[in-house]
Amino acid sequence: DAGITQSPRHKVTETGTPVTLRCHQTENHRYMYWYRQDPGHGLRLIHYSYGVKDTDKGEVSDGYSVSRSKTEDFLLTLESATSSQTSVYFCAISENSGANVLTFGAGSRLTVL
Amino acid sequence: QQPVQSPQAVILREGEDAVINCSSSKALYSVHWYRQKHGEAPVFLMILLKGGEQKGHEKISASFNEKKQQSSLYLTASQLSYSGTYFCGTEGPTSNYQLIWGAGTKLIIKP
Repeated sequence: DAGITQSPRHKVTETGTPVTLRCHQTENHRYMYWYRQDPGHGLRLIHYSYGVKDTDKGEVSDGYSVSRSKTEDFLLTLESATSSQTSVYFCAISENSGANVLTFGAGSRLTVL
Repeated sequence: QQPVQSPQAVILREGEDAVINCSSSKALYSVHWYRQKHGEAPVFLMILLKGGEQKGHEKISASFNEKKQQSSLYLTASQLSYSGTYFCGTEGPTSNYQLIWGAGTKLIIKP
């Protein structure tokens, strides 16, 4: 299996608190992604990165920020969590964009009360 | 715009065949198929490229009609291990090389 780990795997927090999810890879892949998965919506891209300090927004980026200071780590931050951000968050990696295989992490389940 | 998958769910007996469809209103460069078992991460199955090239799973086949902007995934002689939710992801000229995902098709295989 590809080396991709997410932490924490489960988190319960309160509205208004900051939350950071971490994605760590050992594959040296250039691209890293954060998705959220909600029933009826499939996977929706939040942000992605194509290199150290190179990031771009996805379709549902409002309320989220990301950082990538090292090739292996991609952080997703919710500055002030809201109940609408309750979801399962998946990190994914790929060697390149476009027609490339995505390898997903195990997911992080976030509940905002 | 999110591609439309059909059916939303299907129940089969082991050994039966299934077809899952993915349709987009936008032009496509490629269609990607993934399977997700309950509580797990999505796992890659196949990529279909404009022009007919395919990359992926040996026991699952798929088609890609570029003109109709549609793809179909064919699961023949289904096994219990095929159970899960199948997602298509589409990539096209308006998606900035990123995938737009369908809502998924839940497949249940009964013995």
